[in-house]
Amino acid sequence: DGGITQSPKYLFRKEGQNVTLSCEQNLNHDAMYWYRQDPGQGLRLIYYSQIVNDFQKGDIAEGYSVSREKKESFPLTVTSAQKNPTAFYLCASSREDQTPNIQYFGAGTRLSVL
Amino acid sequence: AQSVTQPDIHITVSEGASLELRCNYSYGATPYLFWYVQSPGQGLQLLLKYFSGDTLVQGIKGFEAEFKRSQSSFNLRKPSVHWSDAAEYFCAVRTLTGGGNKLTFGTGTQLKVEL
Repeated sequence: DGGITQSPKYLFRKEGQNVTLSCEQNLNHDAMYWYRQDPGQGLRLIYYSQIVNDFQKGDIAEGYSVSREKKESFPLTVTSAQKNPTAFYLCASSREDQTPNIQYFGAGTRLSVL
Repeated sequence: AQSVTQPDIHITVSEGASLELRCNYSYGATPYLFWYVQSPGQGLQLLLKYFSGDTLVQGIKGFEAEFKRSQSSFNLRKPSVHWSDAAEYFCAVRTLTGGGNKLTFGTGTQLKVEL
């Protein structure tokens, strides 16, 4: 089945620890995105990537890092610098050869702090 | 700056009743507008989109939305709600940033359906 796979579904972080959230897509999409969702705040863009080996900061990039070494993969690392990491994280992807393009979402990862 | 406002945080309707969820946007150029639905603990599913042309757009699950430029609105409607429609609904506008494609989301409307 074609789609976007996020793992793990649930993740727990200890104080001072970095954790990495996985996002894989087999839709052959060029662009990938990471959003953070908090209750009552909608979705906010953390990072996005339009092409392999390139990415840009979104609205709330502080305390996060990403890489885009392969077209299919866009992992997000929540670093110890992110002081309030508890949230629901959503990955999305889209084609870049359409205007406007449509973003498709994974099922999300819920991150909690121990 | 672009923004999306969903003025209703929670809405409760009876099964079989009609539904309208409000969305107002602020964007200087021609907006590209979307409605997504999210079931608890799940990702977002696209319900419908407006890019151009007919201002009344049809989506999945019997939903429709009407784009009104004069009111900067893109309200979502359904004639008869089913219990399975209970979910959170997000309106979004596509904006361009640094040459990239970005969605600005509203804060969502939580729909409860009473049987």
